[in-house]
Amino acid sequence: EADIYQTPRYLVIGTGKKITLECSQTMGHDKMYWYQQDPGMELHLIHYSYGVNSTEKGDLSSESTVSRIRTEHFPLTLESARPSHTSQYLCASSDIGLSYEQYFGPGTRLTVT
Amino acid sequence: KQEVTQIPAALSVPEGENLVLNCSFTDSAIYNLQWFRQDPGKGLTSLLLIQSSQREQTSGRLNASLDKSSGRSTLYIAASQPGDSATYLCAVPNQAGTALIFGKGTTLSVSS
Repeated sequence: EADIYQTPRYLVIGTGKKITLECSQTMGHDKMYWYQQDPGMELHLIHYSYGVNSTEKGDLSSESTVSRIRTEHFPLTLESARPSHTSQYLCASSDIGLSYEQYFGPGTRLTVT
Repeated sequence: KQEVTQIPAALSVPEGENLVLNCSFTDSAIYNLQWFRQDPGKGLTSLLLIQSSQREQTSGRLNASLDKSSGRSTLYIAASQPGDSATYLCAVPNQAGTALIFGKGTTLSVSS
């Protein structure tokens, strides 16, 4: 079983609040990812990182930001939450290389009222 | 641009049936293909990873095949059980290897 953790699992918050979604992995993986999944829709990549101090935007435009100060930690921040940010956010990690399996955390379901 | 399609979108079967889920992708230059399971409101559990050089992978009652030239993969589930009820997703890496491209999934319901 993959050791990748996300907190909180569920979050209901008002418009305009700043939020940080936490993601940690204990597998020593260099690559980490954030995906967004709207109900009934595909997952889309919003951020990824190849290692410490490396962050890149993904295919889906997002107003969120990420940081990678430690290998095991990859938090996602929304400076001012809006109802359009309501979605499920999934964190994943993998070893470096093109053929490595991605492991996913349990996800954070965010609702902005 | 890589696109992944899964059919059917939903499938209902009685317990004990063998079934096949289909996944197709438009760009055959893939490094691997991964099948996942997602329970409602939960994260993804990796089921099988098939490298581009492999034809199939097996894990318990699951068998996944890969035909790169035709851009297809199938997930075979033998002797289905109610606990198999979930959404099954297939995904392939994009060209740059920076992300997985997912299909919309097949939602499976197995009745007892």
